[in-house]
Amino acid sequence: AQTVTQSQPEMSVQEAETVTLSCTYDTSESDYYLFWYKQPPSRQMILVIRQEAYKQQNATENRFSVNFQKAAKSFSLKISDSQLGDAAMYFCAYRRSGTYKYIFGTGTRLKVLA
Amino acid sequence: DGGITQSPKYLFRKEGQNVTLSCEQNLNHDAMYWYRQDPGQGLRLIYYSQIVNDFQKGDIAEGYSVSREKKESFPLTVTSAQKNPTAFYLCASETQGVRGNEQFFGPGTRLTVL
Repeated sequence: AQTVTQSQPEMSVQEAETVTLSCTYDTSESDYYLFWYKQPPSRQMILVIRQEAYKQQNATENRFSVNFQKAAKSFSLKISDSQLGDAAMYFCAYRRSGTYKYIFGTGTRLKVLA
Repeated sequence: DGGITQSPKYLFRKEGQNVTLSCEQNLNHDAMYWYRQDPGQGLRLIYYSQIVNDFQKGDIAEGYSVSREKKESFPLTVTSAQKNPTAFYLCASETQGVRGNEQFFGPGTRLTVL
């Protein structure tokens, strides 16, 4: 069975600095998608970034980028120039291609210090 | 505005009672999902539906039931068989967009059993 592991329950970063959140996953599949979701205090989940496993190029969305290491089954999220509004829970998620089922990690709480 | 609505925001239930959580979307999405969120456990899939009149059990379907009679609506019933129903419940719908599959989440319902 596929699993997603986020080993950092909580992280802190100084405003304007860079922080990296870790995610590892376990799968025997070769075609899948990976996601990072943000859940602010309002608890509304928002998609931050997604990565297709067949793409070697790492996805980027403005200040957010990923380091996708397929062989190592690692999918970390880098947040550059951290802002107070980045403070939230961040969830890593996996989805096998051709299915509708998502598997989420347990989340990392990010604190941004002014 | 297009989006997903969940009601009520807070719900209290006495032990032994069934209760139904509402989820409505006007995004014209085919797929819809129900997740349960507990502290430290991330999101766990209860049920999902790919199309109208069809749905599949997720990882923790015991004690829950759903229906999908209309594309816009995917209500979740928490039955008295659910041993520990106090949790935060999230509904989501999904589209196949230019960036691939993307889930959109509702604001959630907090259920408390008294």
